[in-house]
Amino acid sequence: NAGVTQTPKFQVLKTGQSMTLQCAQDMNHNSMYWYRQDPGMGLRLIYYSASEGTTDKGEVPNGYNVSRLNKREFSLRLESAAPSQTSVYFCASSDSYNSPLHFGNGTRLTVT
Amino acid sequence: QKEVEQNSGPLSVPEGAIASLNCTYSDRGSQSFFWYRQYSGKSPELIMSIYSNGDKEDGRFTAQLNKASQYVSLLIRDSQPSDSATYLCADRNNAGNMLTFGGGTRLMVKP
Repeated sequence: NAGVTQTPKFQVLKTGQSMTLQCAQDMNHNSMYWYRQDPGMGLRLIYYSASEGTTDKGEVPNGYNVSRLNKREFSLRLESAAPSQTSVYFCASSDSYNSPLHFGNGTRLTVT
Repeated sequence: QKEVEQNSGPLSVPEGAIASLNCTYSDRGSQSFFWYRQYSGKSPELIMSIYSNGDKEDGRFTAQLNKASQYVSLLIRDSQPSDSATYLCADRNNAGNMLTFGGGTRLMVKP
């Protein structure tokens, strides 16, 4: 039972490079989320997808784009990476209203 | 902007004691609340969810919700060194589409 799977686990980028973080869940959940976690800042919501075919901005969307490819997959793209995007990125999913989030193992991204 | 506030700690308790973790939230419309535990370098894992005023117990953990005062707490009885972690409080907005997290409280349980 894999739950929420994120790839890659680690990534180092140079300023200006682009990359896509992948996330897939096998729990048939409707909603998916991307958070970033920085020391002392807690988890901050970047984008979310309440259901297949919809995406919405969260608290810190600037510099990111997302795609809800199908019900299972939700990707996060950095078009031109900046050092301020150095962080740990977590993907999460939930079943329905009031349901808790289930997290992936995270991607540790460093932008130099 | 809705906020969830936690004391960053560290909160240090001796093994076997009760650890009390507190959280306040700003959105009176929030309906559901969650406590997550996060070990260093790991992802958050759900400990408790609570939706109604009062207490909810699960093993050594008790979550308490007071909507009038807008606070949520987590009590850990018989604390163990393995409970040493950061505890994150979160609330879900009234529309149900977003979870907002506090900054977390670091708990240290000393043998």
